[in-house]
Amino acid sequence: AQKITQTQPGMFVQEKEAVTLDCTYDTSDPSYGLFWYKQPSSGEMIFLIYQGSYDQQNATEGRYSLNFQKARKSANLVISASQLGDSAMYFCAMRVDTGRRALTFGSGTRLQVQP
Amino acid sequence: ETGVTQTPRHLVMGMTNKKSLKCEQHLGHNAMYWYKQSAKKPLELMFVYNFKEQTENNSVPSRFSPECPNSSHLFLHLHTLQPEDSALYLCASSQVSLAGDNEQFFGPGTRLTVL
Repeated sequence: AQKITQTQPGMFVQEKEAVTLDCTYDTSDPSYGLFWYKQPSSGEMIFLIYQGSYDQQNATEGRYSLNFQKARKSANLVISASQLGDSAMYFCAMRVDTGRRALTFGSGTRLQVQP
Repeated sequence: ETGVTQTPRHLVMGMTNKKSLKCEQHLGHNAMYWYKQSAKKPLELMFVYNFKEQTENNSVPSRFSPECPNSSHLFLHLHTLQPEDSALYLCASSQVSLAGDNEQFFGPGTRLTVL
């Protein structure tokens, strides 16, 4: 079974600063993918970034980067130059590449960006 | 319409009512999913459909009945619900292939309240 752990229920960051949201995972499957989603108050889940277990480099998408440490089974999201619009819930998720294809989600971190 | 749409966005129903949630994806994907998001709980997978065939039922009570008439549409029929079924119901789609599958795209969700 897969498990995602997000230990930060809430985080605050000043506008224009960087913030790291923690995510650790557990799986015995050697091939898997890690995802980060943003959920604003409107409810929609917005895909941010993806990291494959065999990817050699950390994924980056604009202001988002994923700090992937395979040995530690961590996949932290780094948001650089925070903006007020970044205030939302952030979910880390995992999908293994064999058997069950659906995503397993963590409990989420609520990020609040302060002016 | 683009992406994944869900209707209605909000639904209030009594325990004896019968209602249906609708999801439509305009992305040409071959897999669709229903998730339930309750307050203070991680997203929970409910059902998975690949090529219109149900491939996963995550021990969901029979008062929830999914229907996938084609690869673009997914319904969730509701009957005799309980107040604890009140939640945000999210639909998602993805493209699955032998080489793997990509990120899931989510709809805006239906906020369900059972009285």
